[in-house]
Amino acid sequence: AQTVTQSQPEMSVQEAETVTLSCTYDTSENNYYLFWYKQPPSRQMILVIRQEAYKQQNATENRFSVNFQKAAKSFSLKISDSQLGDTAMYFCAFMKHTLGTSYGKLTFGQGTILTVHP
Amino acid sequence: IAGITQAPTSQILAAGRRMTLRCTQDMRHNAMYWYRQDLGLGLRLIHYSNTAGTTGKGEVPDGYSVSRANTDDFPLTLASAVPSQTSVYFCASSVDSSSYEQYFGPGTRLTVT
Repeated sequence: AQTVTQSQPEMSVQEAETVTLSCTYDTSENNYYLFWYKQPPSRQMILVIRQEAYKQQNATENRFSVNFQKAAKSFSLKISDSQLGDTAMYFCAFMKHTLGTSYGKLTFGQGTILTVHP
Repeated sequence: IAGITQAPTSQILAAGRRMTLRCTQDMRHNAMYWYRQDLGLGLRLIHYSNTAGTTGKGEVPDGYSVSRANTDDFPLTLASAVPSQTSVYFCASSVDSSSYEQYFGPGTRLTVT
């Protein structure tokens, strides 16, 4: 079974600054996806960024980037130029992936509440 | 607007009562999922369905049942609610079980007293 751990229950950052959210995971699988989801106060789950384990290059989506360390089983999210709208709960998640298919079942971390201050 | 709808938005339920949470998607996705969200635990998979007519158990299935009579609907039933089932429930769907991207509904907040 897979486990995902987010050790930072809460984080805060000043507007325009950079913040990094941590995530570690444990798995015996070699092929998998890792995700960061954002959940604003509206409760809607929004996919922020995705990383395939077989890719060495870290994924980037505008102000969001990841630092994927496969050997260390670490998957942190960096938010640059933080904006007030980034205030949300952020979840790290894992999905195993085998031979061109995945199993569709996400395993989530506990979540980190990020507050961006003006 | 295409997407997933859930009903009700919120509900207060007496312990021992039966409750069905509704989930409907209009994207013709084959795979659907139910998660519960609890503070400090993240989201945990309750049940899933890879295609109409099939269902499977997730991480925390006890006390819950599902059915998948057609592609669009995936109701979650609590046969006899208990206070530990107080949670926010999310329905999600994906094109099929080989797709990595899941689309989430707006959630149902359920309080069992």
